[in-house]
Amino acid sequence: AQKVTQAQTEISVVEKEDVTLDCVYETRDTTYYLFWYKQPPSGELVFLIRRNSFDEQNEISGRYSWNFQKSTSSFNFTITASQVVDSAVYFCALSEVDFNKFYFGSGTKLNVKP
Amino acid sequence: DAGVTQSPTHLIKTRGQQVTLRCSPKSGHDTVSWYQQALGQGPQFIFQYYEEEERQRGNFPDRFSGHQFPNYSSELNVNALLLGDSALYLCASSLSGSIAFFGQGTRLTVV
Repeated sequence: AQKVTQAQTEISVVEKEDVTLDCVYETRDTTYYLFWYKQPPSGELVFLIRRNSFDEQNEISGRYSWNFQKSTSSFNFTITASQVVDSAVYFCALSEVDFNKFYFGSGTKLNVKP
Repeated sequence: DAGVTQSPTHLIKTRGQQVTLRCSPKSGHDTVSWYQQALGQGPQFIFQYYEEEERQRGNFPDRFSGHQFPNYSSELNVNALLLGDSALYLCASSLSGSIAFFGQGTRLTVV
């Protein structure tokens, strides 16, 4: 069965600190996608990144970076020099390749204080 | 280009009533999925529609049903509402293999 675990329920940091959000997943599929979405108070899930299971290359996009390690079934997300606007709930998700059916973690609420 | 739009934004219903939520997918997308997000939880997959048929279904009772129209828009119907159905209902649209985009959701409160 597919499962995504985000053990950190809530994290509070002061602006400009770096913060890492953890994500661990379980799947028997050999091919799958991993995602991170951001959910601001408005409710809409905002896409951040999709990673194919065959692509373990880490990625950096501005202040965001992602560390995918298949050996530990982890897909962690780091925000460098956090800003107040980063405050939101962040979800890690796993999907089957064919059907875009997501399995979400329970989310990590990030509070960035000025 | 409008993204995924859902209506209504908020809704209050009485226990036992029926409700219909609506979703218009992003232009060019042919697949619509519905998710239920209870307070403090991650979204849970309800079902997915493709070519006007239910293609996959999550672990939800038959009280939850849906429909997809020829223009790819979709409805989610919930009968015999329970207090536990109170949640944010999210619609996601995609085109085969593409990234799914989510709407802003409909917040349903059952009293």
